[in-house]
Amino acid sequence: EAGVAQSPRYKIIEKRQSVAFWCNPISGHATLYWYQQILGQGPKLLIQFQNNGVVDDSQLPKDRFSAERLKGVDSTLKIQPAKLEDSAVYLCASSLDLRGARDTQYFGPGTRLTVL
Amino acid sequence: AQSVTQLDSQVPVFEEAPVELRCNYSSSVSVYLFWYVQYPNQGLQLLLKYLSGSTLVESINGFEAEFNKSQTSFHLRKPSVHISDTAEYFCAVRGLQGAQKLVFGQGTRLTINP
Repeated sequence: EAGVAQSPRYKIIEKRQSVAFWCNPISGHATLYWYQQILGQGPKLLIQFQNNGVVDDSQLPKDRFSAERLKGVDSTLKIQPAKLEDSAVYLCASSLDLRGARDTQYFGPGTRLTVL
Repeated sequence: AQSVTQLDSQVPVFEEAPVELRCNYSSSVSVYLFWYVQYPNQGLQLLLKYLSGSTLVESINGFEAEFNKSQTSFHLRKPSVHISDTAEYFCAVRGLQGAQKLVFGQGTRLTINP
């Protein structure tokens, strides 16, 4: 079974530029998550989708971050414009069914973003 | 709301020695508990989880964790570590209701010395 795919793996941009990350979850997984992992910290949830609807985006900085999951499968996360403090690893995860808290989240390898 | 505290940011041990990675949590509701492992340049992988039943849970590679409700802890242990266990370990909690998000601790970097 293929895992969660993310691209690119690494990205270096200058501040005020825009960047986009892509995630393809495990086939059949209804729930998709984007996390931000700053160096030395644990992952922090940015946004959670159930199919193509947003369940929780309370920690997403909406003035610069946006995310979509138009067809309930792939997802993109965008930052526009980027700030130095956005340097982090962006992790995508998916799970089978949000309605069960027992659901296991499977993580992709992440995209390491460096903002100069 | 939940929070997780991992008491040690780094733990160096010698190969074949025992290790304990400490995790304490705070929550106003009952929670599920998880340990994830992150090997260098890889994503997080689920190591083990406590959902209900026996408070002692085990992983396939020799780790175990015990849920202690009175002390709100979920410490991870292994009696004899290997070089391949070098990684960062994250403790996480999630509320019992389905929409509750996964909340992670800061992580503990386990370094195994030969």
